[in-house]
Amino acid sequence: GAVVSQHPSWVICKSGTSVKIECRSLDFQATTMFWYRQFPKQSLMLMATSNEGSKATYEQGVEKDKFLINHASLTLSTLTVTSAHPEDSSFYICSARGGSTDTQYFGPGTRLTVL
Amino acid sequence: GESVGLHLPTLSVQEGDNSIINCAYSNSASDYFIWYKQESGKGPQFIIDIRSNMDKRQGQRVTVLLNKTVKHLSLQIAATQPGDSAVYFCAENIAGNQFYFGTGTSLTVIP
Repeated sequence: GAVVSQHPSWVICKSGTSVKIECRSLDFQATTMFWYRQFPKQSLMLMATSNEGSKATYEQGVEKDKFLINHASLTLSTLTVTSAHPEDSSFYICSARGGSTDTQYFGPGTRLTVL
Repeated sequence: GESVGLHLPTLSVQEGDNSIINCAYSNSASDYFIWYKQESGKGPQFIIDIRSNMDKRQGQRVTVLLNKTVKHLSLQIAATQPGDSAVYFCAENIAGNQFYFGTGTSLTVIP
């Protein structure tokens, strides 16, 4: 099956710093990547959809200047949490979709803890 | 967003029994559905999918049933094993756009 990786798997940072999370599709070209946020014991909340080479589409209520998304290639998308604060602590998950398939394949997630 | 909900937030089953996890969706235009399994601290894992032109699809130990009349989706796991313990999400998709996820059902398998 399709493999999606994320790096880092866990990051702890001080309040006010910026954190970059990478999402890679390892064995297929991802024309579309999605970024989700998940709080404990809750469902996934879609933050944004990004297509390779174009600007990301953000969901309502998600600050695009706070969560910078770059999808520069067909195998890599990055999410940068700028000036992170404790309330940004969460589990961030990416997914990728490629070619003619509608199926999304998820990465293992990145746990962000902001002190 | 769309409304995709689950009837039971938690489910406990004895090892070896069959499990049935239910999901209701609200948009009759949804044409593609996926069941995901998420273990603690990990990303969702694809289990099985089904398109709206089908009523049933079987995988290894899993079966998905789709009832479009009542907008209901179910996941059946045969001979449930301890490794099946996880949170299960259904997700609906309309015309290739983003998926909408349900709230999840936590399945606990009792040895």
